[in-house]
Amino acid sequence: QVQLVQSGAEVKKPGASLRVSCKAAGYTFNNFYIQWVRQAPGRGLEWMGLINPSGGSTDYARKFQGRLIMTRDTSTSTAYMELSSLKSEDTAVYYCATRYGGRSDYWGQGTLVTVSS
Amino acid sequence: EIVLTQSPGTLSLSPGERATLSCRASQSVSRSFLAWYQQKPGQAPRLLIHGASSRATGTPDRFSGSGSGTDFTLTISRLEPEDFAVYYCQQFGSSRTAFGQGTKVEIK
Repeated sequence: QVQLVQSGAEVKKPGASLRVSCKAAGYTFNNFYIQWVRQAPGRGLEWMGLINPSGGSTDYARKFQGRLIMTRDTSTSTAYMELSSLKSEDTAVYYCATRYGGRSDYWGQGTLVTVSS
Repeated sequence: EIVLTQSPGTLSLSPGERATLSCRASQSVSRSFLAWYQQKPGQAPRLLIHGASSRATGTPDRFSGSGSGTDFTLTISRLEPEDFAVYYCQQFGSSRTAFGQGTKVEIK
């Protein structure tokens, strides 16, 4: 069955960088885009961007331009999300999810990131 | 960028009642690219509806989606105890994707 397994919780200091991984299993990695979504405590879902595993093209939300990089490693079927210059407002649960057309059927379990001095 | 506005923010209803949730877009959205999700505390979102009105695998038939253009609706015909949750719409447009801010369906 399709699974997305994310890396574990992280605690970061302001100004640091973050890297979250999302390992895909149960399907051909190149078949679905991977999108990243975050959710601050008690808040709604916020779309961050997506990557096409086939070729590696990306599309980022304007809000994160300049400090967000998405990459993938097709040899291990893993997508990565790197966010730099962290602020306390970046404290959130980060999710990866597949995207096929106009739907996201499969989601990772979420990675809690806490930014605190 | 397209902005999605969901209403109401909170819906207080009793089990067995009908729930009607609205998602309004700032510009026209293709039906093919409008989805609805359910999220319960501590869980990842779950896809309920895609293509504005197609139920995802495993979605009970008490959930239905409708709408076109800028106005979309998620209807839960008779609320079951497990349906009390937060619901989000999402559009996958050419100008980047976006989520609505969510509607919480709570027990009255």
